Amino acid sequence: QKEVEQDPGPLSVPEGAIVSLNCTYSNSAFQYFMWYRQYSRKGPELLMYTYSSGNKEDGRFTAQVDKSSKYISLFIRDSQPSDSATYLCAMMTGGFKTIFGAGTRLFVKA
Amino acid sequence: ETGVTQSPTHLIKTRGQQVTLRCSSQSGHNTVSWYQQALGQGPQFIFQYYREEENGRGNFPPRFSGLQFPNYSSELNVNALELDDSALYLCASSSHTLQSTGELFFGEGSRLTVL
Repeated sequence: QKEVEQDPGPLSVPEGAIVSLNCTYSNSAFQYFMWYRQYSRKGPELLMYTYSSGNKEDGRFTAQVDKSSKYISLFIRDSQPSDSATYLCAMMTGGFKTIFGAGTRLFVKA
Repeated sequence: ETGVTQSPTHLIKTRGQQVTLRCSSQSGHNTVSWYQQALGQGPQFIFQYYREEENGRGNFPPRFSGLQFPNYSSELNVNALELDDSALYLCASSSHTLQSTGELFFGEGSRLTVL
């Protein structure tokens, strides 16, 4: 069993839709939870990070962590074609190693 | 502020050969991590360097080795290349004080193809 599970998609939505991306994990020692966005032929870029359970909002993006269920989510409101990318969830125990999910490919159709 | 730069961007090697990939970290960052990203997969942690020493290593064999230089730039060396080494190799820099929050700044990667 992988430490972090993420549905690879692809996920295709119309412009303006609300997108929900999810990951589950098995290691209860994970303390830091991140979402990275990766455009084609580019390196990942950090979108959001959270430390505790609960919600964190930044513009059109909301990150949600439920440690009791070992489940994290990223919501994108009013999705735009420019949001089309691969979204990677990532987690850390607080040391030096970040564990990434496989990534979900998102396509937002104009 | 200069971002993370990697070279070369693409290269093709044959099985058994050796390769060196290079990375210049973002200004102000003293920690460099290397990741391997196979097609359709998430990045896998190879190792991290801090103060010119290996600070942690993932599940990769010893033929994957690295260096960090006094200016914080870094190299990844892979010996005896295998077909499965074909991947995008990503370098990520960070400040040691920020590492615990997981903030990694990635370069655009070096795409290695092994024939």
